[in-house]
Amino acid sequence: DQQVKQNSPSLSVQEGRISILNCDYTNSMFDYFLWYKKYPAEGPTFLISISSIKDKNEDGRFTVFLNKSAKHLSLHIVPSQPGDSAVYFCAASRNTGNQFYFGTGTSLTVIP
Amino acid sequence: GAGVSQTPSNKVTEKGKYVELRCDPISGHTALYWYRQSLGQGPEFLIYFQGTGAADDSGLPNDRFFAVRPEGSVSTLKIQRTERGDSAVYLCASSHPPGSGVYNEQFFGPGTRLTVL
Repeated sequence: DQQVKQNSPSLSVQEGRISILNCDYTNSMFDYFLWYKKYPAEGPTFLISISSIKDKNEDGRFTVFLNKSAKHLSLHIVPSQPGDSAVYFCAASRNTGNQFYFGTGTSLTVIP
Repeated sequence: GAGVSQTPSNKVTEKGKYVELRCDPISGHTALYWYRQSLGQGPEFLIYFQGTGAADDSGLPNDRFFAVRPEGSVSTLKIQRTERGDSAVYLCASSHPPGSGVYNEQFFGPGTRLTVL
């Protein structure tokens, strides 16, 4: 039972444009959400997170939006750069818990 | 400082053999996690240690899988009687304790790619 879903396996964006990666979840008990970035042959690297008490968190070019009523979050990257090309995983947890539930990932390609 | 390290980076074994995968967490991180990532999937939780004890092993798929962390630092994931379906990348992560008042981002190692022939 996939509790965190990323329905777009891949996304291509022109350099300088906005990249929008989407994630949906089913468990209303989740209250902490993260995005991880993964390059080939490396482990996932933490990118940005958001607590359920917020609906937006921004860090430089990266912004995560959370819509609790829709159980949906998205990651915006603007402007996109070729170095952003990687697989992006959405993850969710209960802050007092220990398991992170990951989506299946979205492969982002930023075209120079 | 040093990140999470995992050894070996690659392991090829034959069906039925026993394997051990090692994880060295970030110094000071008391929480340690093992995940398994199959091709085309996201990381799947296996087990979580807080200190020396396995606080949650609900993700272990069956009793062929076992993990230890005897001194609260290095952890070893052990797989007995390996099967071809065990082939995956095994990821280790460490963090501050969940609910400790800081965001418990999990810091991942590079993984061990296990191939069972």
